[in-house]
Formats: sequence, structure tokens, C-alpha cells
Amino acid sequence: KQEVTQIPAALSVPEGENLVLNCSFTDSAIYNLQWFRQDPGKGLTSLLLIQSSQREQTSGRLNASLDKSSGRSTLYIAASQPGDSATYLCAVYSGGGADGLTFGKGTHLIIQP
Amino acid sequence: NAGVTQTPKFQVLKTGQSMTLQCAQDMNHEYMSWYRQDPGMGLRLIHYSVGAGITDQGEVPNGYNVSRSTTEDFPLRLLSAAPSQTSVYFCASSYPTGNGYTFGSGTRLTVV
Repeated sequence: KQEVTQIPAALSVPEGENLVLNCSFTDSAIYNLQWFRQDPGKGLTSLLLIQSSQREQTSGRLNASLDKSSGRSTLYIAASQPGDSATYLCAVYSGGGADGLTFGKGTHLIIQP
Repeated sequence: NAGVTQTPKFQVLKTGQSMTLQCAQDMNHEYMSWYRQDPGMGLRLIHYSVGAGITDQGEVPNGYNVSRSTTEDFPLRLLSAAPSQTSVYFCASSYPTGNGYTFGSGTRLTVV
């Protein structure tokens, strides 16, 4: 059974810092990995999707990397802003069996002004 | 706006009542799924569908029913609500092989 772990569970940093959020998964046989953002009481907003054949994806100040063989992904946020405060969720799609996403429990990020 | 629409946004039920959570998408996605989100448990898959007429169970299917008569709609039915079903429910859709999921804004359900 696929399991996804996100470290740290919570993070608080001053505005302007570069930071890294970590995601690991137990079964490397994945189709893709997706990073989401969730604001309090809201739905999930997709940030980046990385296919299993890709090493990284970039969108603005966000960069996500994928090392499938070691079962790891990182989300790099450059020049953090208070508006980046949210919970960040990592999810993998493995196909087969229960055909859906397996989620980590998220990293709750606070950017201090 | 293209996307996944969930109704209602909030609902309070009494134990034993039944209800249907609605989900509709207009992106012609084949894959649709339902998740519940609980504190400390993260998001867990309830049921999913890989196309009209095809549904299957996820990780936590007990107490829920689904059907998929059209590509656009994937309703979730609570047969006899229990307090343990108090949660936030999310519907999602994607292209085959989970290629880029889009989530609805969620339904916050309280069972008293």
C-alpha cells in the first residue's frame, strides 16, 4: 500500500526566506506526483504536476523536483511572502487498485511579515 | 468557469438521515473521485469512477454509495448518516492515469 509522508508537519519562517518542503512515498511505481495548496476552510488548488518521467517542474517562484527511484519530491519556494501561508499537500497517483490519489498529511506553512 | 462544482457547501444532518452530495465537472474528464478530509487523517479516497457506468471502492467506502450515469456527474450518497461521517468532502476529476486532478471547493458535513 502506497504511503506518503510530508516533513515538516509545520513550518514558520520570516518573509523573504527560501524554503523547502519535503515529500516521500514508499512505492516508486507512480504515474505522477502533484503538489496542492489548501487555504483554511477552502478547497485544494493545484500548484505543480510532475510526470514520472520528469525530474522537475517550475511555476513562478515554485519549483518541484522528483526523484522517483528514491521515493522523494521537494517543493522549493523562493522569496517567501505572507500570501504563501497555507497548507501544502503532496499527492501521488499510482494507478491500479484503488484508482485515486494518495495524500500526505501536509505541511502547514506560516510566513511571518 | 470550467471546473468541478460541489453542492451543497454546508450541511447538517441528524443521525440516520440520508442525503446526496452533488458533484459535476465540465472538463470532459473520465476519472472522478470522492475524498473525505479529517483532522490528523489527511484526505482519504472513498469511491472513484474511471468512466460512465464504472465505479469502485476506495480506502473508506463503508456507508457511502455512488453511481456514474453521465461523464459530468458523480453524486455521493450517504445511506444512513452517522456522527463518524462528520467531515469535509471533496470531489475531484482528472484525465486518465490521474493526469492532473482538479478539486471542487468541498462540502462541510456535520452529523449530529
